[in-house]
Amino acid sequence: QSALTQPASVSGSPGQSITISCTGTSSDVGSYDLVSWYQQHPGKAPKLMIYEVSKRPSGVSNRFSGSKSGNTASLTISGLQAEDEADYYCCSYAGISTHVVFGGGTKLTVL
Amino acid sequence: QVTLKESGPVLVKPTETLTLTCTVSGFSLSNTRMGVSWIRQPPGKALEWLAHIFSNDEKSYSTSLKSRLTISKDTSKSQVVLTMTNMDPVDTATYYCARISDYNFDYWGQGTLVTVSS
Repeated sequence: QSALTQPASVSGSPGQSITISCTGTSSDVGSYDLVSWYQQHPGKAPKLMIYEVSKRPSGVSNRFSGSKSGNTASLTISGLQAEDEADYYCCSYAGISTHVVFGGGTKLTVL
Repeated sequence: QVTLKESGPVLVKPTETLTLTCTVSGFSLSNTRMGVSWIRQPPGKALEWLAHIFSNDEKSYSTSLKSRLTISKDTSKSQVVLTMTNMDPVDTATYYCARISDYNFDYWGQGTLVTVSS
């Protein structure tokens, strides 16, 4: 069982927007602005899409955005494209004892 | 250009010790506030953080696996090594190394699949 809770799957049609939630606790997501999101296509390594809750690395489309409220972080993808179909994982710093926790992953299907 | 590449055995027997090497390029293991992490992913399952080591040699381990893991680095060779003792079939996974910067994994290796079987 993963430390952060994500929905197992979400889906949307091309052009639509979807949001993936990531629920943690006051010991991780709720305490640190060190939430990141990773995209993983089948058979590939994960790719950093969002860091520090809402920042985008260079080269990542501005269709990807992140936010946080309390113990829950969210990833929003607007203007869905076929290439966005992938697994998405959230991750949070969790203090000096636990260090890093991942979510269980969400499979995004573009209909 | 930052790259990381994992190397090690593809098959290990139960109870054996796994040794994986991550060879990096495009950055130095002595860069301040940067480090290298090991993360694994069992087939069809989620990512699991295992350990990391920073430029100042600070090391951290997953609480659940701490007794079995050792991470070390050789800055001159640009390599980070992870050992995991007493391997079990449940440890079958793709093992990734990734650069960690401010607790963001910004560059990843391609991963190496390790199967534990007799």
